[in-house]
Amino acid sequence: SAVISQKPSRDICQRGTSLTIQCQVDSQVTMMFWYRQQPGQSLTLIATANQGSEATYESGFVIDKFPISRPNLTFSTLTVSNMSPEDSSIYLCSVENPLGTGELFFGEGSRLTVL
Amino acid sequence: QQQVKQSPQSLIVQKGGIPIINCAYENTAFDYFPWYQQFPGKGPALLIAIRPDVSEKKEGRFTISFNKSAKQFSLHIMDSQPGDSATYFCAATSGYSTLTFGKGTMLLVSP
Repeated sequence: SAVISQKPSRDICQRGTSLTIQCQVDSQVTMMFWYRQQPGQSLTLIATANQGSEATYESGFVIDKFPISRPNLTFSTLTVSNMSPEDSSIYLCSVENPLGTGELFFGEGSRLTVL
Repeated sequence: QQQVKQSPQSLIVQKGGIPIINCAYENTAFDYFPWYQQFPGKGPALLIAIRPDVSEKKEGRFTISFNKSAKQFSLHIMDSQPGDSATYFCAATSGYSTLTFGKGTMLLVSP
């Protein structure tokens, strides 16, 4: 399995500010994924981050709002820019099983509250 | 085409009961159907998964039933326990990476 550490685990932010979430994995992985889980809702994929290339964003998500970095095979960051209360969510980092089984492992999430 | 419809939204059963959660999909290209379990304050964790070449898979008290012709699959929890109280998500994918999740079912198992 892969162990995923996310920071911060939670934060309260002011409208208009930006926050960067860090994701560290204990093994090298090709792809890392960022999901959003709004309160009481399902998981929505924001983007896929490959090391050494631009992240691929899903419909409805744009790089200016959610810039992603992927400097190496064990680390990624997601920034939530110019936040509004609608951005209050849990943001989850995820990686595929390095053994190629199709399983996704998730971090414990970063719970953001925007006032 | 990419949706996975999950029901019920919430479910309450008594200890020892057999909660059943159902999912339906449209995309016939989907070939991997996992179930994830999420406890409050935690990330989702893979519970059990199935591929379309089998109609049923059991792992401990958890069973997936799969009906390819109906494009439906379901999760059964045998002898449910209060510790099974969690939110359950079904999902589907046509590859190894991009999962489409259902909306989730909040299960409460009463003592």
